[in-house]
Amino acid sequence: EAGVVQSPRYKIIEKKQPVAFWCNPISGHNTLYWYLQNLGQGPELLIRYENEEAVDDSQLPKDRFSAERLKGVDSTLKIQPAELGDSAVYLCASSLGGTSGNNEQFFGPGTRLTVL
Amino acid sequence: GNSVTQMEGPVTLSEEAFLTINCTYTATGYPSLFWYVQYPGEGLQLLLKATKADDKGSNKGFEATYRKETTSFHLEKGSVQVSDSAVYFCALAIRGSQGNLIFGKGTKLSVKP
Repeated sequence: EAGVVQSPRYKIIEKKQPVAFWCNPISGHNTLYWYLQNLGQGPELLIRYENEEAVDDSQLPKDRFSAERLKGVDSTLKIQPAELGDSAVYLCASSLGGTSGNNEQFFGPGTRLTVL
Repeated sequence: GNSVTQMEGPVTLSEEAFLTINCTYTATGYPSLFWYVQYPGEGLQLLLKATKADDKGSNKGFEATYRKETTSFHLEKGSVQVSDSAVYFCALAIRGSQGNLIFGKGTKLSVKP
């Protein structure tokens, strides 16, 4: 069974440019998460989807970040325009879904963004 | 608020040494607790979990016990191997928060032969 797929794995852009990350979750997983991981830190949730609905986007900086999961399967996270401080690893995770606090999340390898 | 504090690394051990990585938490609700591992170049993987007080999670020789009285979930392994070299993250999820994970900062473990 394929795991969570993310692309690209690495991206280098200049500040003020737009950038997009793509994630394809494990087949059948209804819940999809995007996390931000700064160097030397643990991941922090940006947004969570239940199917195609963004049910928790309280930590997403909406002035420059946007996300979509139009058909409730794969998802795209966009930054426009990128700033130097956005350099980080962007992780995607998925889980079967539900309201249990111990619903296992499966993580992709991440996209490492460098903003110059 | 909810938070996780884990010991800072890096931790360097010789092969077959005993490992402890401390993790304590603060939670407004009744959390489930997790240890995730991130091997070089790979994504985070769930290592073990515990969902209620006094539960012991275990996997691949690693163990952690959910201690409500000390709000701790320390990771232990009796004899580490070079292949255990990775970054280890302690995390919690509050029931009713739809499974949102709150992570510690991670502890890098290096095991020397």
